[in-house]
Amino acid sequence: EVQLVQSGAELKKPGESLNISCKGSGSGFTNSWIAWVRQKPGKGLEWMGNIYPADSDTTYSPSFQGQVIISADKSMTTAYLQWTNLKASDTAMYFCARQVTIPWFFDLWGRGTLVTVSS
Amino acid sequence: IQMIQSPSTLSASVGDRVTITCRASQNISVWLAWYQQKPGKAPNLLIHKASTLDSGVPSRFSGSGSATEFTLSISSLQPDDFATYYCQEYSSFSCNFGQGTKLEIK
Repeated sequence: EVQLVQSGAELKKPGESLNISCKGSGSGFTNSWIAWVRQKPGKGLEWMGNIYPADSDTTYSPSFQGQVIISADKSMTTAYLQWTNLKASDTAMYFCARQVTIPWFFDLWGRGTLVTVSS
Repeated sequence: IQMIQSPSTLSASVGDRVTITCRASQNISVWLAWYQQKPGKAPNLLIHKASTLDSGVPSRFSGSGSATEFTLSISSLQPDDFATYYCQEYSSFSCNFGQGTKLEIK
């Protein structure tokens, strides 16, 4: 069974850097796209960008371009979402999700990683 | 592409039939998905290609529509159905979501 397992909750200070991860288990990971979706507290879903782990081809939402870095390690079947300068406004739940191609729907989701940025 | 859902909140009772609407700002053909999300959980895919039920989704859920107007219907509400529902277009690389519809118990 294919699963996406996300790293645990993080509490960081403004200005700090952070890397969260999404590890795929089972088949059907390296030949799919992995997307990151943000959900701020009490708000809706926002697509941030996605990556094709087989060759690290990446696309970003214009809203998030330059704000985060999406990467992947094909050998580890893991995708990453990275910040170099966290802001309080980055406080949110971050989900990774699979797309078999792009653009496409999200057929498999991780449980989410809660990121809290507070001084 | 903007996706607008209505209503934002819907109050209903167990056994009711309910319908949620999603409108796209331009023609997206049938490239629309619906998700259910419960508090503290990840979204769960219900329907793709406007009307195709994902595996394991109860048949009381149905989707219809094309171009710019779409609906998600639940034929007989069960207690487990009270949640927030999102539409998502995938005709563009931006994969835009609607703002969500919260289905509450009346």
